[in-house]
Order: sequence, then C-alpha cells, then structure tokens
Amino acid sequence: QTVVTQEPSLTVSPGGTVTLTCASSRGAVTSDYSPNWFQQKPGQAPRALIYSATNKHSWTPARFSGSLLGGKAALTLSGVQPEDEAEYYCLLYYGGVGVFGGGTKLTVL
Amino acid sequence: QVQLVQSGSELKKPGASVKVSCKASGYTFTRYAMNWVRQAPGQGLEWMGWINTDTGNPTYAQGFTGRFVFSLDTSVSTAYLLISSLKAEDTAVYYCARDGAVTGTDYWGQGTLVTVSS
Repeated sequence: QTVVTQEPSLTVSPGGTVTLTCASSRGAVTSDYSPNWFQQKPGQAPRALIYSATNKHSWTPARFSGSLLGGKAALTLSGVQPEDEAEYYCLLYYGGVGVFGGGTKLTVL
Repeated sequence: QVQLVQSGSELKKPGASVKVSCKASGYTFTRYAMNWVRQAPGQGLEWMGWINTDTGNPTYAQGFTGRFVFSLDTSVSTAYLLISSLKAEDTAVYYCARDGAVTGTDYWGQGTLVTVSS
C-alpha cells in the first residue's frame, strides 16, 4: 500500500512565503510520478494548480510554483494572499494508478 | 470552454445502487481520460480510478474493485460511475476529473453527493 504524505497543517502570514511538500513511501518523488497539486476551499470542487511537478495551468496564479525538492514534490506560494487559505492536495501516479496525499490545511494569519 | 457537469445529489438506502453521470463539453471527449475521486464527509480526496475514454478500459484503485464500475456513452460525451450494494460508508461526494497525458488532471466536475441511509 503506497502512502503519500503531506504536512497536515501550515500557517503563513499574508505576504509571506510557504512551501508545502509531498513525499512518497516508495522513496524519492521524481517527474515519473507526474505530481499534480490541487487547491480545495470549503464546499467547492478541487481546482488544479500544477501538473507534471512544475507546470502551471493557464488559470494558476503566478505566485504558485511547483518543484522537486529534496526527494519530494513541493508547492511554493510566494506573496501569500488571504484567499489562499484552503486545503491543498498532491496527487502522484504510480504506473497509471493515482494516490492522493492526505492534504495540507493552509491557514493565512 | 471545457465543462464537466455531474448529476444531482442522491439519497439511497443500504443495498441499493446508484449511477452518477459526468457530461463533458467543450472538447473532444475521447482524447482525455476520466478520473473518479471520492471525498467522504470531512475527509481528504481518494483516487478511485480512471477510464480510458477511447477504449473504454477502466483501471480501479485498491478498495474500489467489485462494487464500483466505470462506463461511458461516447455518443453523448458522458462518463458514468455505478456503485452497487451501497453501504453507509459510501456516503461521500464523488467527482469526475479530466486527465490528459500532457495536461495532467485539469478540469473537475462540481461533485455529486451520494448519501446512503436507511
């Protein structure tokens, strides 16, 4: 059973920078796992932010960026806005089978 | 514009079946796979599997075999999720989400709440 691990919660001040990470129980996360990142606000469907580790969708705000960092997938928010308060999920693919991380609740305070 | 519109909320009794639909528009349906994702109340996202909309071949995640069936009607650009022998623990919001080999999992349906209660 593959487990994908994210920080359960993080807090950041408005205007600050925060990095969320996504680790795999199978070892280092690489681009082969096609890391995706999603944002979900209460009562809403998830919204895609990043695909293939580093690529943004056309609607992804510039302050969001994806990377591979220290064997994990990472999502960095620079110049955090109050509206960025949300749950963030990563999704990794293992040979065509996807596994979501448990999510990170980001509080902007 | 790309849209995935799902069917409305369902209230079912234990043991019954439910079929959730996901109608796609704004793109060529068979060029993108369709994922299904479950979210139980207050919980995180669970990847249920995906269906190849070109071949109809489904792939199910562990824990979603047997009672869960993905299907298609390409004539109306619609994907379906059938859940049979419903249990209380199937109570959740079910999402469809488009997946492209190059574009990742990009567009999501609005979700369908399935409530299983006697």
